[in-house]
Amino acid sequence: DVKVTQSSRYLVKRTGEKVFLECVQDMDHENMFWYRQDPGLGLRLIYFSYDVKMKEKGDIPEGYSVSREKKERFSLILESASTNQTSMYLCASRGPLSYEQYFGPGTRLTVT
Amino acid sequence: QKEVEQDPGPLSVPEGAIVSLNCTYSNSAFQYFMWYRQYSRKGPELLMYTYSSGNKEDGRFTAQVDKSSKYISLFIRDSQPSDSATYLCAMEGGVGSGSRLTFGEGTQLTVNP
Repeated sequence: DVKVTQSSRYLVKRTGEKVFLECVQDMDHENMFWYRQDPGLGLRLIYFSYDVKMKEKGDIPEGYSVSREKKERFSLILESASTNQTSMYLCASRGPLSYEQYFGPGTRLTVT
Repeated sequence: QKEVEQDPGPLSVPEGAIVSLNCTYSNSAFQYFMWYRQYSRKGPELLMYTYSSGNKEDGRFTAQVDKSSKYISLFIRDSQPSDSATYLCAMEGGVGSGSRLTFGEGTQLTVNP
C-alpha cells in the first residue's frame, strides 16, 4: 500500500527558530512536493524535486529551503520561522508514469 | 486573478441529494483535470481523473470537463454522510509544467443524515 509519512502531525515553534519538516515515501517515486494549505488560499506549491539533489521553486518559495539527499526523503526547512508561516504543510510524491500525487497526513505548524 | 477558481462553500445538503461542485480556470494549456477529496485532518486523495474534454463516471461520481468554456464539474449522486469532506479540483498541463498541479481553493461539503 502506498505510503507518505510526515515527521510530525502538530508542531509549535517560536519566531526565529529553525524548523525541519520531514517527509518519507516508500513508493520509489522520483517526484516529491511540499505544499502549504491555508483557508481562503487553498494548496500552494512551495518547492518540488524531480530527483535526488534536484529542486525547483514553486509558487511561494520565499522563507523556505529544501533538501533531498535520498530518493525517499524530502525535507522542508524554515530557516527562521515567522508567524506568517503558521499553516498546514502537506508533502506529496508522484511516480514518473503516473498523474496521481499521493499526500501525507500533513503537519500543522504554529509559530508563536 | 487565480488560475483556478473554486467556490469554497460551505455547502450543506441532505442525504440523498445530488451535489454539483465546479471549477473554472483561465490557463488553456491545462489538459489533465482531477478531483481530490480531503477528509478532516487528512491529506487529499485522488477521487477522479479526466484527460481533456468529456465525461467520466465512477459509481456515484461523475466528472465533466468542458475545455471550450474552461469549466469542470464533479457530480455526486445519492450523496451520503461519508461524502462530507473538502473537494479540491486540480489541473496540470502546459509547456514547462512538469508534474506540477494547480489546485482550486476547495469546496467544503457536509451531507446531513
